[in-house]
Amino acid sequence: AQRVTQPEKLLSVFKGAPVELKCNYSYSGSPELFWYVQYSRQRLQLLLRHISRESIKGFTADLNKGETSFHLKKPFAQEEDSAMYYCALLISNTGNQFYFGTGTSLTVIP
Amino acid sequence: EAQVTQNPRYLITVTGKKLTVTCSQNMNHEYMSWYRQDPGLGLRQIYYSMNVEVTDKGDVPEGYKVSRKEKRNFPLILESPSPNQTSLYFCASSYLGRERSEQYFGPGTRLTVT
Repeated sequence: AQRVTQPEKLLSVFKGAPVELKCNYSYSGSPELFWYVQYSRQRLQLLLRHISRESIKGFTADLNKGETSFHLKKPFAQEEDSAMYYCALLISNTGNQFYFGTGTSLTVIP
Repeated sequence: EAQVTQNPRYLITVTGKKLTVTCSQNMNHEYMSWYRQDPGLGLRQIYYSMNVEVTDKGDVPEGYKVSRKEKRNFPLILESPSPNQTSLYFCASSYLGRERSEQYFGPGTRLTVT
């Protein structure tokens, strides 16, 4: 069973519009969740993690345990945000196992 | 420069011919991991290691072996590759502890098994 679900394979928004990339997880313990991003011709890299409660490049993500969600949001999309985004779950009670979603390809239209 | 390197970057092989994909990191990371990326399936963890001589199965370990004899290296071994192991493979490393979530990824190895 998929532990991390990203329902949108492709997402297109206009520059300046708000963007939300959805992520839902399946885990009954305390989750550690992250967003990773892969820009064109670059390596996969960490964007943000829920424990830091930080905003990176204008993106934020709030962990909602009731809805088991960790959606990524940005109020005003920029062209340079076009990339592949992966939501990831770390389960560390019996090791350090990562589960990634299938990814969402975001295109910001000028 | 801090980085994760993988070799080879591209490999075409035949069914049953043993192969090894090397992974090396120069950041003194304790944690290393292998993933495969397939269309529609995202990244799936194959094996991971929390330190030298400590390895654990990820989500899809069947058909793969790993070893961690040195901290910096974490090779992925396919003893008898099959066509369903055709994929894009990524190695990653990170610290343990609070910073463990920041995995540094290698450039990927595209493997084709015919």
